[in-house]
Amino acid sequence: SAVISQKPSRDICQRGTSLTIQCQVDSQVTMMFWYRQQPGQSLTLIATANQGSEATYESGFVIDKFPISRPNLTFSTLTVSNMSPEDSSIYLCSVEKGTDTQYFGPGTRLTVL
Amino acid sequence: GENVEQHPSTLSVQEGDSAVIKCTYSDSASNYFPWYKQELGKGPQLIIDIRSNVGEKKDQRIAVTLNKTAKHFSLHITETQPEDSAVYFCAASNNAGNMLTFGGGTRLMVKP
Repeated sequence: SAVISQKPSRDICQRGTSLTIQCQVDSQVTMMFWYRQQPGQSLTLIATANQGSEATYESGFVIDKFPISRPNLTFSTLTVSNMSPEDSSIYLCSVEKGTDTQYFGPGTRLTVL
Repeated sequence: GENVEQHPSTLSVQEGDSAVIKCTYSDSASNYFPWYKQELGKGPQLIIDIRSNVGEKKDQRIAVTLNKTAKHFSLHITETQPEDSAVYFCAASNNAGNMLTFGGGTRLMVKP
């Protein structure tokens, strides 16, 4: 398994501002992922964060809105830019350990006013 | 792309009873099927998984079955306890791009 931490655990932000979420894992991993979970909903993949290359974004998500950094094999950040109330969600990072197996962090609960 | 449907969306059982949650998937190339438990205010926790070369897997009170022909898999929880109350998510992956596609989730309530 993996021990994953996220910062902040929750935040309340004003519309038009940006928030950067950090994800730290206790061991080196190749694949890190960022998900969004809207209130009462399932998980939707935002992007795959690859160390040493650009992140790969899923349909409906763009780099200008959700820039991602992956400076090393244990850390990644997701920025939610120019926020609106529709961005209020739980943002989750996950890592892959072994073949296909993903472990999730505790999540960042974002409220945009 | 892959589509995963999960039923029921809510499930209420009496403590000690069994609970069954079912998922169907669309992509016959999918070969990995994990189940996650998400408690309130926490991230999803992997509780059991199964690969396409296996028909059933069991871990104490939890079991998962897979029917590749029908493209469905199920989570079985026996002797349910109040601490089993949570939202459960199924997912599927075809190991191409390591992407997991999640079902819509099942809210399980175990009444003492």
